[in-house]
Amino acid sequence: AQSVTQLGSHVSVSEGALVLLRCNYSSSVPPYLFWYVQYPNQGLQLLLKYTSAATLVKGINGFEAEFKKSETSFHLTKPSAHMSDAAEYFCAVFTGGGNKLTFGTGTQLKVEL
Amino acid sequence: DVKVTQSSRYLVKRTGEKVFLECVQDMDHENMFWYRQDPGLGLRLIYFSYDVKMKEKGDIPEGYSVSREKKERFSLILESASTNQTSMYLCASIGGGGKNIQYFGAGTRLSVL
Repeated sequence: AQSVTQLGSHVSVSEGALVLLRCNYSSSVPPYLFWYVQYPNQGLQLLLKYTSAATLVKGINGFEAEFKKSETSFHLTKPSAHMSDAAEYFCAVFTGGGNKLTFGTGTQLKVEL
Repeated sequence: DVKVTQSSRYLVKRTGEKVFLECVQDMDHENMFWYRQDPGLGLRLIYFSYDVKMKEKGDIPEGYSVSREKKERFSLILESASTNQTSMYLCASIGGGGKNIQYFGAGTRLSVL
């Protein structure tokens, strides 16, 4: 069964610093992977998705993620954090069979001045 | 833009009450989902539906039921609410065509007293 693990439930960075949020996947088949963001009191919004077309995926708001099969990773990065990036971020893998997603436990990103 | 609307943002109910959470999507999507979100646990799938009157149990269906009488509407029912069902509930939908993007509503925060 496909699953994802997010390392670090809370990450804190300074404004302007690199953002790195970690996600590792487990899948017996080539995975479809997603990053979603949840701003306070809102639903989830898609940041980006990997569907095997290209290993480096660019998303909205300056975020990108690189699929590394050898490391079974799909880490999310942004070169320079902004205060508006403070949110919770979820990694997810497409589980198939009814278009289901399996989510990680989430990483809360805090951006400090 | 896809719109997924959850009828209530906040609900307060008493133990033992029957609770209905409503979700409507406007994109003629076949598949709809109900998740609950709890701190440290991420999103967990309660039920999903891949067509009108069709439903499948997710990972945590106990204490819940669902109804899908029309394609655009997917209801989550708590037959007899309990305090351990206090949570954030998120509805999502996904269309066909291989896009695999789930679109989320804003969520309903339910408190059971």
